[in-house]
Amino acid sequence: QVHLVQSGAEVKKPGASVRVSCKASGYTFSTYGISWVRQAPGQGLEWMGWISAYNGNTNYAQKFQGRVTLTRDTSTSTAYMDLRSLRSDDTAVYYCARESEYSGTYYFAYWGQGTLVTVSS
Amino acid sequence: QSVLTQPPSASGTPGQRVTISCSGSNSNIGSNIVNWYQQLPGTAPKLLIYSTDQRPSGVPDRISGSKFGTSASLAISGLQSEDETDYYCAAWDDSLNAWVFGGGTKLTVL
Repeated sequence: QVHLVQSGAEVKKPGASVRVSCKASGYTFSTYGISWVRQAPGQGLEWMGWISAYNGNTNYAQKFQGRVTLTRDTSTSTAYMDLRSLRSDDTAVYYCARESEYSGTYYFAYWGQGTLVTVSS
Repeated sequence: QSVLTQPPSASGTPGQRVTISCSGSNSNIGSNIVNWYQQLPGTAPKLLIYSTDQRPSGVPDRISGSKFGTSASLAISGLQSEDETDYYCAAWDDSLNAWVFGGGTKLTVL
């Protein structure tokens, strides 16, 4: 079955960068896109962006343009999320989510377990 | 401030039917499907409803979704204690070119 396994928790200082990985298994990696969604403590879900696992095309939420980079490595079936210039309000759990398609519409049926990124001086 | 508006809380007694609303605009709910996610504390979101009214396998038929105009609803009938958790709606926004979520609704079973 489909599994998305994310890298472990990170503690970073303000201004630093963080990379979170998401290793996929149980399906042909290049067939489905991956989105990244974050959730600050006690808050709701926030979509950050999407990458096509097929060709690497990306689409970023306006809020994160210029600060986030999504990449993927098809040889290891792994997606990566790089976030730069970290601030305290970037403290959140970061999830990767695989898209699924139904009659031309999309949804997130599979999620990683989440990675807590703490930004603190 | 979330693009989609959900009530922060909802409640019902066991066996009751409750609905959770999700209000948007023409650029999101008005022109696209709605997905609903359930999130238990400390865990990743779980897909509950996709394409507005479709249930994934394993989701009981006492859970349903609907949409009218720029608003969507999640209905849970035969309320059970295990339903007490957080629920989020989501839709694609054509103007923002992004997925947008509601702020979430915490459902309490009294």
